[in-house]
Amino acid sequence: AQSVTQLGSHVSVSEGALVLLRCNYSSSVPPYLFWYVQYPNQGLQLLLKYTSAATLVKGINGFEAEFKKSETSFHLTKPSAHMSDAAEYFCAVSEGVGGGADGLTFGKGTHLIIQP
Amino acid sequence: DTAVSQTPKYLVTQMGNDKSIKCEQNLGHDTMYWYKQDSKKFLKIMFSYNNKELIINETVPNRFSPKSPDKAHLNLHINSLELGDSAVYFCASSQVLGELFFGEGSRLTVL
Repeated sequence: AQSVTQLGSHVSVSEGALVLLRCNYSSSVPPYLFWYVQYPNQGLQLLLKYTSAATLVKGINGFEAEFKKSETSFHLTKPSAHMSDAAEYFCAVSEGVGGGADGLTFGKGTHLIIQP
Repeated sequence: DTAVSQTPKYLVTQMGNDKSIKCEQNLGHDTMYWYKQDSKKFLKIMFSYNNKELIINETVPNRFSPKSPDKAHLNLHINSLELGDSAVYFCASSQVLGELFFGEGSRLTVL
């Protein structure tokens, strides 16, 4: 069975500082990994995805994530935080290509707070 | 044009009532889902349909009944609503090789 652990339910960084959101996964097969962002009162929007191509994945809004098989991790980073990055971030895993009909298993989310 | 649209966006109702949420996707995807997001933001899959066929039916009370009239629509009907059903319900769709696209969510409040 697959699972996702996001370390830190809340992360606070100063505007302009590095953003690091941690995600570790458990999967019995090579996983497909995703990061989604949810702004208040909105649905989830895909930031980036790893589907067994390059281990460093670039996404929208300046975010990127690196797949590290040895550490079973898929941490999300952004070099310089912007106030508009304040949102809930979800890491998700699938054992099927892009989720198939099995959907995605989500982590519990990390609330990112940006301090001015 | 909205890719995945849900209606209504907000529902406020009394315990014991029945309510429905409708979802439509115009992406041509074969698979649609219902997810529940609780007050702590935790997302859990409830159902998935592939080409109108039920694929996943997680441990959900049988008061919840999904229905897919065609592959572009997936509705959720809830009978005898309880306080614990209060949540945000998200519809999503995907192709087999693609990520999930989510609707804006339907916030259900049971009083």
